Amino acid sequence: AQSVTQLGSHVSVSEGALVLLRCNYSSSVPPYLFWYVQYPNQGLQLLLKYTSAATLVKGINGFEAEFKKSETSFHLTKPSAHMSDAAEYFCAVSDNGRALTFGSGTRLQVQP
Amino acid sequence: DVKVTQSSRYLVKRTGEKVFLECVQDMDHENMFWYRQDPGLGLRLIYFSYDVKMKEKGDIPEGYSVSREKKERFSLILESASTNQTSMYLCASSLYTGPTNQPQHFGDGTRLSIL
Repeated sequence: AQSVTQLGSHVSVSEGALVLLRCNYSSSVPPYLFWYVQYPNQGLQLLLKYTSAATLVKGINGFEAEFKKSETSFHLTKPSAHMSDAAEYFCAVSDNGRALTFGSGTRLQVQP
Repeated sequence: DVKVTQSSRYLVKRTGEKVFLECVQDMDHENMFWYRQDPGLGLRLIYFSYDVKMKEKGDIPEGYSVSREKKERFSLILESASTNQTSMYLCASSLYTGPTNQPQHFGDGTRLSIL
């Protein structure tokens, strides 16, 4: 069975600082990996998805994630945080291309 | 752009009522999903459907059923609502093209309160 662990339910950074949101997964087969963002009172929006073509994946709004098979990780980063990045972020994994298993989420706070 | 529409943003029902949550997608997607979202637990899959009249149980199907009579519409049914079903419910759809990483597209959610 697959699972996703997001370390840190809350992360706080200053505006302009590096954002690092951690995600580790377990899967018995090569996984499909995704990061989603949820703004208040909205559904989830896709930030980026892992394709086997490259280990470094670029997404929207300046975010990127690096797939590290040896560490079973898919951490999300952004070089410089903006106030508008404050939201909840979810890492998700699928091993069959259909149903997703989500992590418990990380709420990102950006301080002025 | 894919549009997934959930019929209600907020819903208040009473214990024991039969509750219907409706979801419609406009992109001819094969797969549709219902999740519930609770603080600290992320999203948990209730049911999903990969074709009309087909359904599969997710991780927490107890107390719920689903219906998919048309490809674009996927309904979640709470047979006899209970207070522990108070939650945010999210519908999603995705295109299935074999074992590829097609993302899921989400509706804005229905915040359901059972009194």
